[in-house]
Amino acid sequence: DVVMTQTPVSLSVSLGGQVSISCRSSQSLVHNNGNTYLSWYLQKPGQSPQLLIYKVSNRFSGISDRFSGSGSGTDFTLKISRVEPDDLGVYYCGQGTQYPLTFGSGTKLEIK
Amino acid sequence: EVQLVESGGGLVQPGRSLKLSCAASGFTFSNYYMAWVRQAPTKGLEWVASITNSGGSTYYRDSVKGRFTISRDNAKSTLYLQMDSLRSEDTATYYCTRSGGYNPHWFAYWGQGTLVTVSS
Repeated sequence: DVVMTQTPVSLSVSLGGQVSISCRSSQSLVHNNGNTYLSWYLQKPGQSPQLLIYKVSNRFSGISDRFSGSGSGTDFTLKISRVEPDDLGVYYCGQGTQYPLTFGSGTKLEIK
Repeated sequence: EVQLVESGGGLVQPGRSLKLSCAASGFTFSNYYMAWVRQAPTKGLEWVASITNSGGSTYYRDSVKGRFTISRDNAKSTLYLQMDSLRSEDTATYYCTRSGGYNPHWFAYWGQGTLVTVSS
């Protein structure tokens, strides 16, 4: 199974600040078709997860450009700029390259 | 607007069965892979099972293989998860998800979840 390792486990940021979350996979996430299926999700308190980013760097419909994804192979990063109160919650990375589909253990974002 | 509405959760004894349903609307159900993702209390996300748009192929995590069955009725736009031989470790909120694009590689939409509690 592909193990997804997220760091840090939690972080605290001031409003208007910028944060980066790292996600590393135990195997390359490059699919046989050449695509890299790394996605990012945000679970706000008391809510279902929502998709933010797919295929490493593509923002999902309605997602602010304050969210950006980057990386390749086994190392990926989610950056959030100009942090707003509504950004708090737990962020998960997930791989869709091979079964079983797996997620990172999550990064909790708190607002100072 | 895409909507996924789960139902069927509840309290069940170990070893018993439960069937979850997910009513989908707002998109052409038969065009998309669907999946179940679960989240144990205070824990992270765990993929459970996926099914192709036609229902012709299914995929499971090892811990539920042989006990859970994912299926779909495209005429009713409904996804199912039959859960047999339930264990305490199956206790979780179960989310119905729709794939992004016409492929299984990310979870674009999530339902509100239905809680399954396995306990005597």
